[in-house]
Amino acid sequence: TQLLEQSPQFLSIQEGENLTVYCNSSSVFSSLQWYRQEPGEGPVLLVTVVTGGEVKKLKRLTFQFGDARKDSSLHITAAQPGDTGLYLCAGPASKTSYDKVIFGPGTSLSVIP
Amino acid sequence: KAGVTQTPRYLIKTRGQQVTLSCSPISGHRSVSWYQQTPGQGLQFLFEYFSETQRNKGNFPGRFSGRQFSNSRSEMNVSTLELGDSALYLCASSRTGASNQPQHFGDGTRLSIL
Repeated sequence: TQLLEQSPQFLSIQEGENLTVYCNSSSVFSSLQWYRQEPGEGPVLLVTVVTGGEVKKLKRLTFQFGDARKDSSLHITAAQPGDTGLYLCAGPASKTSYDKVIFGPGTSLSVIP
Repeated sequence: KAGVTQTPRYLIKTRGQQVTLSCSPISGHRSVSWYQQTPGQGLQFLFEYFSETQRNKGNFPGRFSGRQFSNSRSEMNVSTLELGDSALYLCASSRTGASNQPQHFGDGTRLSIL
């Protein structure tokens, strides 16, 4: 069974601090996506990583896809209150799965001013 | 460009009733997927429709069904509601539904079962 695990589950930090959240699996994924979901809203896609070892930067956010394509990380530099939200990683399910897309349980980030 | 629109935003029902939720995708998007989000189980895939045909179905009971119209709008129906069906139901659209394509989510329908 394909599973995506995310850690930590909850994270509360002060504005200006740096942080890293992780997305791990025992399965290989052809790609992984990161979404951010704010309270009362649907998830919004941040990035898609496709190549093992790939690093993508989006302003203060840095995404990395593991060499073996089983894990990914999201690093935020100088966190701001606007970064608060639920960070979800997602990947395409295998053809033998009921699912089409697998989502991790998410990391709930709170940035305190 | 209008985003994905879901109606209604909030709904309260009682056990045993049935409910229909609506999703209007982004113009030009032909794939619509539905998800259930709960604190305990997270985001779980329900089903995907493309060109009025169900293309994928998650591991949910037959009480959960859907359909898609020729204009790509989609509806999801849940019959014989149970307390455990209380959740945020999200729909997402994409152009073709390829698994590495970005999905654009609506803000969801919050369903509460009393």
